[in-house]
Amino acid sequence: AQRVTQPEKLLSVFKGAPVELKCNYSYSGSPELFWYVQYSRQRLQLLLRHISRESIKGFTADLNKGETSFHLKKPFAQEEDSAMYYCALSTISSGSARQLTFGSGTQLTVLP
Amino acid sequence: NAGVMQNPRHLVRRRGQEARLRCSPMKGHSHVYWYRQLPEEGLKFMVYLQKENIIDESGMPKERFSAEFPKEGPSILRIQQVVRGDSAAYFCASSPAFGGLNTEAFFGQGTRLTVV
Repeated sequence: AQRVTQPEKLLSVFKGAPVELKCNYSYSGSPELFWYVQYSRQRLQLLLRHISRESIKGFTADLNKGETSFHLKKPFAQEEDSAMYYCALSTISSGSARQLTFGSGTQLTVLP
Repeated sequence: NAGVMQNPRHLVRRRGQEARLRCSPMKGHSHVYWYRQLPEEGLKFMVYLQKENIIDESGMPKERFSAEFPKEGPSILRIQQVVRGDSAAYFCASSPAFGGLNTEAFFGQGTRLTVV
């Protein structure tokens, strides 16, 4: 069965410092990975997906199949980055349903 | 497009009562997913529905929980005879017709159920 692990529940960094949110996964197939973000009092929204290889709001994430990781990085954190971040793995279940398996989330706080 | 709408945002039920959670998907979306988030945990998949069909309910508890997505109207997640352990945030997501693993799912703001 698939599993997503985010080892850090809480992470605090100072404004302008680099930030890395860790995500490890286990899945026997070819994974499709996402990062979702939830700002205070807002709904969960997609931040980026690994297949797009894009940078959103300065964040990037590289899929490392050897280490089964998909860490989220940003070189210079901003206060507005403070939010809850979820790593998610997309798989096909029985009945061809696409479902997301989420990690438990990391609460990022960027200090002034 | 108002996005995925869930109501109510907060629901309080006494043990033994029924809870009904509603989800209206984004316009043009025919696929609905329900997730549950227990305190201190990530979102856990419960059920995936298309109009009038349950496609995958592998994450649903075997008893007391049911879901539907009728031809007209919102998707409903129903919990009968609620117990304290059902207290959680319930999130609904919708996506367009199956477009592959990288099709984005859009989430509602969730319903926070509290059983007293």
